[in-house]
Amino acid sequence: NAGVMQNPRHLVRRRGQEARLRCSPMKGHSHVYWYRQLPEEGLKFMVYLQKENIIDESGMPKERFSAEFPKEGPSILRIQQVVRGDSAAYFCASSPGTLVGTEAFFGQGTRLTVV
Amino acid sequence: RKEVEQDPGPFNVPEGATVAFNCTYSNSASQSFFWYRQDCRKEPKLLMSVYSSGNEDGRFTAQLNRASQYISLLIRDSKLSDSATYLCVVNMGNTPLVFGKGTRLSVIA
Repeated sequence: NAGVMQNPRHLVRRRGQEARLRCSPMKGHSHVYWYRQLPEEGLKFMVYLQKENIIDESGMPKERFSAEFPKEGPSILRIQQVVRGDSAAYFCASSPGTLVGTEAFFGQGTRLTVV
Repeated sequence: RKEVEQDPGPFNVPEGATVAFNCTYSNSASQSFFWYRQDCRKEPKLLMSVYSSGNEDGRFTAQLNRASQYISLLIRDSKLSDSATYLCVVNMGNTPLVFGKGTRLSVIA
């Protein structure tokens, strides 16, 4: 039973380019969460999705960032026109249902470096 | 006031020592509580859930005090492999997990 799969593990983009981060949840999990971790900082919630729906995007910057979780395929976090401040580790987590009393399983993360 | 607060450390302790971490949370509606462990440049992994009655898993003991809104983690007989950052995490039902910044532990030989 494969865990949460994220790719790429490392991504380098020049300022102004687009970054696409992919996350395949664990089998049987329909809830996906994206978190961002800046160096020496804690994990900050960005967005919570279920299949084809955004449930909570309160942590997502209003501009340049978008997320989707289509009926088929992985969840995608898209960052347009990247800037140096976007450099961070982006973690995806999944759960079978809501998180009351249950854990979220994390992928290994995508480390984005903007040069 | 931050939602989840932890002492960042670092805590530098010798092997075999007992070390305790505390964490406070601001939202009294929080329902679920966890300790996660994160190794350097790795993903967070669940260490243990925290229940009102307290729970123990080997050398690790977690306790929750709802009245004072704090959570604790006690590690007995520290091992070198316990060196990591320990993340206090709370959940308020359907909202996503809220993470503290973590407490860094270094166990020294």
